[in-house]
Formats: sequence, C-alpha cells, structure tokens
Amino acid sequence: AQSVTQLDSHVSVSEGTPVLLRCNYSSSYSPSLFWYVQHPNKGLQLLLKYTSAATLVKGINGFEAEFKKSETSFHLTKPSAHMSDAAEYFCVVSDEYGNKLVFGAGTILRVKS
Amino acid sequence: ETGVTQTPRHLVMGMTNKKSLKCEQHLGHNAMYWYKQSAKKPLELMFVYNFKEQTENNSVPSRFSPECPNSSHLFLHLHTLQPEDSALYLCASSQQRGLYEQYFGPGTRLTVT
Repeated sequence: AQSVTQLDSHVSVSEGTPVLLRCNYSSSYSPSLFWYVQHPNKGLQLLLKYTSAATLVKGINGFEAEFKKSETSFHLTKPSAHMSDAAEYFCVVSDEYGNKLVFGAGTILRVKS
Repeated sequence: ETGVTQTPRHLVMGMTNKKSLKCEQHLGHNAMYWYKQSAKKPLELMFVYNFKEQTENNSVPSRFSPECPNSSHLFLHLHTLQPEDSALYLCASSQQRGLYEQYFGPGTRLTVT
C-alpha cells in the first residue's frame, strides 16, 4: 500500500525567497513520485517526476525535488519564489509502473510581494 | 495551454436529475481518467480507461457511470446523485497507462442540490 503526507497545508513566502514544500511517502513498492501544481480554476500540471533514476530531479519553472529513501521524503524546492508560483501543489506516489496513483492533500503556496 | 477540454465547466443538478460530463483530448493519447476533487480531501482516482477498455474502478458508486466510446472522448453519466457528490470532477489523459505524464482538463464544478 502507498500513502503520501504533505506536511504543510499552507506555506507563505515572500517574493524572491526560497520555497520548500514538504512531502513524505510510504510505499511497499519501489515508488515513483511526482509533484503537480494547480492554479486557480485550472487543471493540474506536472512539475517533475522521479522514476528511480537520478535522485535530484529538475522540473519546470525552476522547481526541483530530491528523493531521499532513508528519510522517505520528496520535498519540492525553488531558490526564489515568483508571484506566479502562488498555487496549490500536490505530491503523488505510485508504484514503479505508474499505477495506483495516490495524491497528497495538497499545499497551498502563497507568495507575498 | 491544456489539450484536454471539459464541458460543462459548471453544473448544478437536483438529486433526481440525469446529466453527463464530457471530456475530450486532442493529444492523441490512449489512456483517460476521471478524478474527483472534494474540498479538504485528497484527489481521488475514479476510473481509468486504457485503449478504450476500463482498467480501473476505484469502488465508485453505481450512480456514476463512465463511457469511453473512443480514445479521444470520455463521459461520466450521473444519475440520482447525493449532495456529498458535489465536487470538482477532473478528466486527464496520458499516452497510455503507466509512468506517463497526465494532462488534466480544467474540471467541471458540480453542485448537487
């Protein structure tokens, strides 16, 4: 069975400061992990995915995430937040074949000017 | 912008009504998905179709009935819904089932009165 926990329901940062959105997972398989973003009134968009290759994954819009097996974590980071990053972010775990996707509850990112 | 469209964008229906949600993808994909996004709950996968065959039904009540006439179109037929079925219903598609990026539509906001 798989599960994912997003440790913060809301995160607020100032424009230009780093972003950290935390995600812990549990999986009985070798997991695949994803981060999706959802802007208001829009569908979800894939930011990045980890599929057992490099543990540091780079995604779109300057985001990256590091897979840490020992900590069962897959935190999302960005060095400098932009106003356009304000959205809801979802951490997702699946089995190694991409089946049985399980979504986290989401983290709402607020960016202050 | 997204190659997945959903209609209608908003729907209000009574518990005795019958309505259908429509999803269309213009990406040449072979897998399509229905998700339910409720307030304060994680995104829930409802149904998966791969090459027009239903491959997953996550214990969805029979008042929700999916239909996939071809790889480009996906419907969700609704009848005798309950107020707790009010949610955002998201459609997604991917190249096929598995570790492929899912492209999401903007969703249909359903309110059951």
